[in-house]
Amino acid sequence: QKEVEQDPGPLSVPEGAIVSLNCTYSNSAFQYFMWYRQYSRKGPELLMYTYSSGNKEDGRFTAQVDKSSKYISLFIRDSQPSDSATYLCAMSGNSGGSNYKLTFGKGTLLTVNP
Amino acid sequence: NAGVTQTPKFQVLKTGQSMTLQCAQDMNHNSMYWYRQDPGMGLRLIYYSASEGTTDKGEVPNGYNVSRLNKREFSLRLESAAPSQTSVYFCASRWTPNTEAFFGQGTRLTVV
Repeated sequence: QKEVEQDPGPLSVPEGAIVSLNCTYSNSAFQYFMWYRQYSRKGPELLMYTYSSGNKEDGRFTAQVDKSSKYISLFIRDSQPSDSATYLCAMSGNSGGSNYKLTFGKGTLLTVNP
Repeated sequence: NAGVTQTPKFQVLKTGQSMTLQCAQDMNHNSMYWYRQDPGMGLRLIYYSASEGTTDKGEVPNGYNVSRLNKREFSLRLESAAPSQTSVYFCASRWTPNTEAFFGQGTRLTVV
């Protein structure tokens, strides 16, 4: 079992839809969770960063972490064609040893249709 | 606002040639990372440097070497390039393991 699992999609939605993207993980030491957006032929850019369980909202984006279920989500409200990209989840543990590693899911390709 | 800068952006190598990919960050970050990204495989960690003076293997280190030249710079070397090393390479950095990471724009490498 891979440490981080993410459905690669592709996911296609109409403009204005609510999008839900998810990752599951197996390493209970993970405490720091990130979502990145990657446009074609570009580097990943940070969207959201959360620590431990709970919700975090930033504009149209909401990140949720459920450590008891080892499950994280990213919600995009009022999706726009400009949101069309690959979304990557990433996570790491506390300082020390292998926890310096930042482990990624494979990414979900999202297309928002006008 | 340079952030993380990678050079070169594109490179074509012949099998057996060597080259070094350069990465520099201007954010005073302690940790730096090299990833490769292949279709359907996601981002896979090659090597990382938790702090200046230390380096460790990641998930796919074979065929690569790294040097943490100083706090700003972390280079990735291919000693004898193989077609299987055709990929997009990303460098990333972050201040500590409990902070977010920032990425460069990538180096697109083709080995023929």
